Amino acid sequence: GESVGLHLPTLSVQEGDNSIINCAYSNSASDYFIWYKQESGKGPQFIIDIRSNMDKRQGQRVTVLLNKTVKHLSLQIAATQPGDSAVYFCAEVRGNEKLTFGTGTRLTIIP
Amino acid sequence: EAGVAQSPRYKIIEKRQSVAFWCNPISGHATLYWYQQILGQGPKLLIQFQNNGVVDDSQLPKDRFSAERLKGVDSTLKIQPAKLEDSAVYLCASTPGYAGTGASEQFFGPGTRLTVL
Repeated sequence: GESVGLHLPTLSVQEGDNSIINCAYSNSASDYFIWYKQESGKGPQFIIDIRSNMDKRQGQRVTVLLNKTVKHLSLQIAATQPGDSAVYFCAEVRGNEKLTFGTGTRLTIIP
Repeated sequence: EAGVAQSPRYKIIEKRQSVAFWCNPISGHATLYWYQQILGQGPKLLIQFQNNGVVDDSQLPKDRFSAERLKGVDSTLKIQPAKLEDSAVYLCASTPGYAGTGASEQFFGPGTRLTVL
């Protein structure tokens, strides 16, 4: 079965609020994790990645947290905008840079 | 810089027919990937090329799917014969370096949406 999964299939957030998208994984041997954003009719777009030896990484308006104890990572999006509406995937990377994607969370921003 | 190009964008066929998808990766990218994305799921890797050689095709249903990258640039993915469960978006991605270069540098095309009736 899937080794990477998401807790919620959909999430609605008011514009300007912060969003938190969660992801659970089962394989402790993952080298690192990547968050992708996929808009309708487009391919996945890289957002941010985090190495397995890190707990936190920040980008522009995004923060990824990794909790290896409970095998959980989250993507926080600050001050959400209408353009943030999309499906978000977490993916784990193991040997040979092979990506294994989760099922995705659809984020809807309410104006 | 131009992105990964794919065609056609949409294709509707009947089961047992054949279909082919085309991908043109970003110029100079040595590694090319084909993924299958079923509605409501994340992409699943089908095959990975390094130049014109296959690196990983362990998840490619070889009884009906085939792919080639003859000159190490463009690639085609073929399904023959198609089944209903093949309905999905087929994504192509490429990376700048050779196999082992960071997955974070994978650039995805827009995909081809296949509907099998």
